[in-house]
Amino acid sequence: GAVVSQHPSWVICKSGTSVKIECRSLDFQATTMFWYRQFPKQSLMLMATSNEGSKATYEQGVEKDKFLINHASLTLSTLTVTSAHPEDSSFYICSARDARTSGRRETQYFGPGTRLLVL
Amino acid sequence: QKEVEQDPGPLSVPEGAIVSLNCTYSNSAFQYFMWYRQYSRKGPELLMYTYSSGNKEDGRFTAQVDKSSKYISLFIRDSQPSDSATYLCAMRNNAGNMLTFGGGTRLMVKP
Repeated sequence: GAVVSQHPSWVICKSGTSVKIECRSLDFQATTMFWYRQFPKQSLMLMATSNEGSKATYEQGVEKDKFLINHASLTLSTLTVTSAHPEDSSFYICSARDARTSGRRETQYFGPGTRLLVL
Repeated sequence: QKEVEQDPGPLSVPEGAIVSLNCTYSNSAFQYFMWYRQYSRKGPELLMYTYSSGNKEDGRFTAQVDKSSKYISLFIRDSQPSDSATYLCAMRNNAGNMLTFGGGTRLMVKP
């Protein structure tokens, strides 16, 4: 089956530092990847849609200069949280959509998530 | 009002019970309906997907979509303690990639 990995799985950093999270589709190509954040006991909130080779589309209220997204290849998207602060502490999850979409299959697969704690 | 409403629970049932999870939605453009299972501190895992109205069965899981009522359900038969997780409904329209999620229902199956 389709596998999406995220690295790191968890990270602790000091306030003011930047953190990069990688999202990789391991056995398929993804023209589109999505980044979500999830607070405890809450649902996933879409932050941005990342398209390979073009600028990401950010959801309303998400600062694009704070959450930098780079989708440099068909199997890799990165999210960089710049100048992280304690309120950025959250669970960040990516998903990737299989470029070979055909018929009426659901082809969006989620990564295992990255837990970020900013001290 | 949220686009997709889901009772947060928690829903506690004994092992072997039939579980019914539900979502309502307001956007009539939604055509694809998914159910994801999410264990604590893990990413969501796709359980079921349905296109338009109808039923779909996969093992102990049955998904139902009633577009006329804007209501979707997930039934779990013979529930097991390993089914204890948060279940998220999600949906999207015909053209878009973006999923709209419900808030999730936390299910606890007690042995």
